[in-house]
Amino acid sequence: GAGVSQSPRYKVAKRGQDVALRCDPISGHVSLFWYQQALGQGPEFLTYFQNEAQLDKSGLPSDRFFAERPEGSVSTLKIQRTQQEDSAVYLCASSPGLAVSYEQYFGPGTRLTVT
Amino acid sequence: AQKVTQAQTEISVVEKEDVTLDCVYETRDTTYYLFWYKQPPSGELVFLIRRNSFDEQNEISGRYSWNFQKSTSSFNFTITASQVVDSAVYFCALTRNTGGFKTIFGAGTRLFVKA
Repeated sequence: GAGVSQSPRYKVAKRGQDVALRCDPISGHVSLFWYQQALGQGPEFLTYFQNEAQLDKSGLPSDRFFAERPEGSVSTLKIQRTQQEDSAVYLCASSPGLAVSYEQYFGPGTRLTVT
Repeated sequence: AQKVTQAQTEISVVEKEDVTLDCVYETRDTTYYLFWYKQPPSGELVFLIRRNSFDEQNEISGRYSWNFQKSTSSFNFTITASQVVDSAVYFCALTRNTGGFKTIFGAGTRLFVKA
């Protein structure tokens, strides 16, 4: 079956622009995670959704970062007024279960470059 | 605080050698989950294994084996008779049952397997 898909795969933004990154999870997966991965580092947790409810946003680095999953399926991560330090790969993952004990299925990521 | 340490940044081996990737974790929780993921050059993280804190049995899956030792807070991963296709970055990760939905990843170990 289809895996997790993300779009766009690459995004170049000028400093100060807003960007929106999309994630299509595996159909039926109730849990959805967003991560930020800097070059040579492990993924850093940003936020977690259980269906449409955002239950944990403790990893969002600033109020410029906003995520939503209004119908419990597709999710969008929005970054306002992008800064150079936002340059990274943004990963989305989905999971079939309600708890963190389940494995996560990752998408290919969106590479964001802020110039 | 939760923490995952993968002290080996890069490992290089020749095909058919055995290799062990180390993972040391820190948590005060009694219930937690440990994972290993593989990130091949294509970029998508792929789930390999999950262990809960109450199950210290070692596991073998083909050429892969995992050694979980609570006494040393370690969850090491061994590849037997390595192959070129094993070349990737391997991440160890930790989640806990309470206090949020964050997954903590280590910085990863890049494995090069030379023919």
